[in-house]
Amino acid sequence: AQSVAQPEDQVNVAEGNPLTVKCTYSVSGNPYLFWYVQYPNRGLQFLLKYITGDNLVKGSYGFEAEFNKSQTSFHLKKPSALVSDSALYFCAVRDDQYNFNKFYFGSGTKLNVKP
Amino acid sequence: GAVVSQHPSWVICKSGTSVKIECRSLDFQATTMFWYRQFPKQSLMLMATSNEGSKATYEQGVEKDKFLINHASLTLSTLTVTSAHPEDSSFYICSARDLASITNEQFFGPGTRLTVL
Repeated sequence: AQSVAQPEDQVNVAEGNPLTVKCTYSVSGNPYLFWYVQYPNRGLQFLLKYITGDNLVKGSYGFEAEFNKSQTSFHLKKPSALVSDSALYFCAVRDDQYNFNKFYFGSGTKLNVKP
Repeated sequence: GAVVSQHPSWVICKSGTSVKIECRSLDFQATTMFWYRQFPKQSLMLMATSNEGSKATYEQGVEKDKFLINHASLTLSTLTVTSAHPEDSSFYICSARDLASITNEQFFGPGTRLTVL
């Protein structure tokens, strides 16, 4: 079965500081990993994805994530946080092999960036 | 990128009534769409997979007679919450898989907030 875990319910960071939102995964087959952001009462906005290739993936709004196969992690990072980055972040794995492209989402991490 | 719309964006209804939510792919065709629900401060849970021209596949624990799904065309899937009750109040989000995408790209709608009084 495919699953992702986000161990932190909430991450607090000061504006201008680097941020990391953690995600670990468990998959059968090749991992297709995604990060999405959700603002209150809004749908999901795509940030970035890892399908294959370079382990460091760059995405929207200055975010990046590093795929680490040995640690089965896909942490989201940004060098300098903005107050406007405050939102709910979801890590997800897409099952292209066994379950017709279904997404399995982590529990979400609320990012609070303080001025 | 491709756009998926949902209508309505929010709806308030009385207990016992039925509510229909539409999910449309605006600039691509989607043989497969997915319906999720999200409770406050929780993650998205897949409810069902909607396949154009055939019956939907429901996840374990989701009542198919309560959450009716119709995928009548390559750009439209509907979710009808029948005999809605307050516990059905939730945020419903759909996603659509691009038929033409060799990498199975999916795009999410903006969500529909359902409140049942």
